Amino acid sequence: GEDVEQSLFLSVREGDSSVINCTYTDSSSTYLYWYKQEPGAGLQLLTYIFSNMDMKQDQRLTVLLNKKDKHLSLRIADTQTGDSAIYFCAERNGANNLFFGTGTRLTVIP
Amino acid sequence: DTGVSQDPRHKITKRGQNVTFRCDPISEHNRLYWYRQTLGQGPEFLTYFQNEAQLEKSRLLSDRFSAERPKGSFSTLEIQRTEQGDSAMYLCASSLEGTVNYGYTFGSGTRLTVV
Repeated sequence: GEDVEQSLFLSVREGDSSVINCTYTDSSSTYLYWYKQEPGAGLQLLTYIFSNMDMKQDQRLTVLLNKKDKHLSLRIADTQTGDSAIYFCAERNGANNLFFGTGTRLTVIP
Repeated sequence: DTGVSQDPRHKITKRGQNVTFRCDPISEHNRLYWYRQTLGQGPEFLTYFQNEAQLEKSRLLSDRFSAERPKGSFSTLEIQRTEQGDSAMYLCASSLEGTVNYGYTFGSGTRLTVV
């Protein structure tokens, strides 16, 4: 079955890089996603990566995928206070449904 | 189109009452999903529709829960005889078949509090 794990909290100083990690169990996952959730809001898709890719870069965001270890990471360069939020990793199963991790709360210290 | 809309944003109900939530997806999206999110947890899959057909239901969806999408557009999620454990944020999302690799678009959710 699908099981997605993330560490719960991360604090970084403004201007530093943030790295949020995720592990998943479903080796048949074809796409993996990162979503951002701000307080009281729904989930906003940040980026996604196809399982045959190792890395994807999109402006300040870099996604790294280690398919062998089923490990996904999201790096945010030059982290800003507006990046403070909960970040969810999600995998897509064979039925095209998304399964989410518990989320990592990122706190950016000014 | 302004995205996925959910109504109401907040609902407070007494235990034992029935509640119904509505979701209006992005108009051209044929897939619609319901998720539940409790405090400190990630969203948990409940059910999804392709057009008007309900194709999958999670074991989380007890017989007190029912979802419909009668015309393949908006959807409703009804909870009968609510319990305090039903208190959560109920999230709706939509996608277009063939583009699901781009992820879903989520609504802002309906926060249910059962007292």
